[in-house]
Amino acid sequence: ETGVTQSPTHLIKTRGQQVTLRCSSQSGHNTVSWYQQALGQGPQFIFQYYREEENGRGNFPPRFSGLQFPNYSSELNVNALELDDSALYLCASSSREGWGDTQYFGPGTRLTVL
Amino acid sequence: AQRVTQPEKLLSVFKGAPVELKCNYSYSGSPELFWYVQYSRQRLQLLLRHISRESIKGFTADLNKGETSFHLKKPFAQEEDSAMYYCALSGPNNNDMRFGAGTRLTVKP
Repeated sequence: ETGVTQSPTHLIKTRGQQVTLRCSSQSGHNTVSWYQQALGQGPQFIFQYYREEENGRGNFPPRFSGLQFPNYSSELNVNALELDDSALYLCASSSREGWGDTQYFGPGTRLTVL
Repeated sequence: AQRVTQPEKLLSVFKGAPVELKCNYSYSGSPELFWYVQYSRQRLQLLLRHISRESIKGFTADLNKGETSFHLKKPFAQEEDSAMYYCALSGPNNNDMRFGAGTRLTVKP
């Protein structure tokens, strides 16, 4: 069984640029959730994708967007980067068995915006 | 509004002592409650969840709907329990997970 993987591990961008982060789900999982974790804070929910459709969204502006592919891997895109976007971005996959299905987290991508 | 509050950023106990990590929540409805743990240099992982009522690594958590709390407890802490602990909740569709800010537990020898 392959775990959740994310790429790249680290990324440095400048204000105003765009970035794409990638996530491969754990084998057999059809749901991917994305989180932003600022230093010293818990993860904050960005959005979730289920079978290639956005299935829920947290309090993030539209410049945060995503995609899920037929193989259930996913991308997080952030446009017009701001300094406050500097954070660890986590993805988590699950099998959407129902209420309380377990999310399995990737190692994260550390984004620094200068 | 949905919110998870972990009032202690840091908690330090001696090996063998009881430990309790506090979690309070606000949610309009019946949420599912979780505890996640992150050991040093490892990824975030599920420790336990309310719905399964399991005891994992000696930890238990009881949901108190009256006090809207889901405190994590262990009667005898071990050094390997040192980690970052996050309390989290989600709604019935499990598409809106909310995490607390976390408590760093240190178990001293």
